[in-house]
Amino acid sequence: EIVLTQSPGTLSLSPGERATLSCRASQRVSSSYLAWYQKKPGQAPRLLIYGASNRATGIPDRFSGSGSGTDFTLSISRLEPDDFAVYYCQQYGSSPWTFGQGTQVEVK
Amino acid sequence: QLQLQQWGAGLLKPLETLSLTCGVSGGSVSGYYWSWIRQPPGKGLEWIGEMSHTGNSNYNPSLKSRVSLSVDASKKEVSLNLNSVTAVDTAVYYCAGRRAVSGSGFFDLWGRGTLVTVSS
Repeated sequence: EIVLTQSPGTLSLSPGERATLSCRASQRVSSSYLAWYQKKPGQAPRLLIYGASNRATGIPDRFSGSGSGTDFTLSISRLEPDDFAVYYCQQYGSSPWTFGQGTQVEVK
Repeated sequence: QLQLQQWGAGLLKPLETLSLTCGVSGGSVSGYYWSWIRQPPGKGLEWIGEMSHTGNSNYNPSLKSRVSLSVDASKKEVSLNLNSVTAVDTAVYYCAGRRAVSGSGFFDLWGRGTLVTVSS
């Protein structure tokens, strides 16, 4: 199975700053089949990005994804108060579908 | 717009069987693969398995021996059974859907989650 390692574990930033989150795969993710989700306590995950760089419906353009192969990045250009949450990457290029362990973006 | 509602027992004893159901409203169950995903307290997300309305299925090898999935298209319900539970199965369990087309293994539909606690 493909193991996804996210870094950093915690990112402490202020509103308005840029967030850069990393997701590294233990082997190549075919066709850039990588998604990103936002998770808040007590809520279901929310799909942000699919296919490494495609924003899901209704996702603001301050969220962007990039990368291919084994290295992927989620960027949030200007953090808004609602963006402080845990972010997970997920690969769907090879079964079993796997998730990273998450990066918490917290208020500095 | 498809919506998912989950229900099932929230407190189990060790070795009992976890049973959860996910009801699909606002459309048909066809055209999707229906997954169960869990999140233990303080931990990340773990995909359990998925099934289509035609019965095509795919399981996480780590849980395959204990998992049974079903889809009832007439009732528009998706069910999960996980047998012989222990404390490590304590988690919030999510029903989730992904489109049944090539390259669409991401989950754009989610239920609200059901906390299942295993305790003697």
